[in-house]
Amino acid sequence: GAGVSQSPSNKVTEKGKDVELRCDPISGHTALYWYRQSLGQGLEFLIYFQGNSAPDKSGLPSDRFSAERTGGSVSTLTIQRTQQEDSAVYLCASSLSSRQNYGYTFGSGTRLTVV
Amino acid sequence: RKEVEQDPGPFNVPEGATVAFNCTYSNSASQSFFWYRQDCRKEPKLLMSVYSSGNEDGRFTAQLNRASQYISLLIRDSKLSDSATYLCVVNPTGRRALTFGSGTRLQVQP
Repeated sequence: GAGVSQSPSNKVTEKGKDVELRCDPISGHTALYWYRQSLGQGLEFLIYFQGNSAPDKSGLPSDRFSAERTGGSVSTLTIQRTQQEDSAVYLCASSLSSRQNYGYTFGSGTRLTVV
Repeated sequence: RKEVEQDPGPFNVPEGATVAFNCTYSNSASQSFFWYRQDCRKEPKLLMSVYSSGNEDGRFTAQLNRASQYISLLIRDSKLSDSATYLCVVNPTGRRALTFGSGTRLQVQP
């Protein structure tokens, strides 16, 4: 597609429920990144994919968080047993390569609210 | 110490003013540097890369000082539309993911 697409754009869920967030990167972009941004805060790195593998998942805050990428394209971030502190905007980005001199293109994010 | 540190601001400047932001980074072996812009409740967008020799894009000039480990962004002739949060971004050696500063908020006033 023309840009990075994320769905849903907004999600309200009850504490304890599982949620799935989807990211569809720019066609041909091999690198895909998940970040989250809490209100008024900076971007917090979660996980990075190169193709379908995740060489760096060091930012996942707990084992309730997992992510996968299939076909070198769409990625899903799953949060199990959501907690109120999981409320944030979850941003996905893709880049042509994981080489260091490429910037990212971000999707518009999924705003997650856990009530 | 944070990997990338920025003054959060806000910087309130009148239209037409020149404003400069700095940021410092902790990993001396970092190789790639960028400035991103983030409008309120929007995703970050790449503003410009930062090169060792310094680079300019219209009213925007970015500079890198590797010895002091700081990056600067200069905006000349500020426009109302420049109002946003500016994020300093670094790629620390050994990681494939960019590290973002918390941002400096700019408010350009009429």
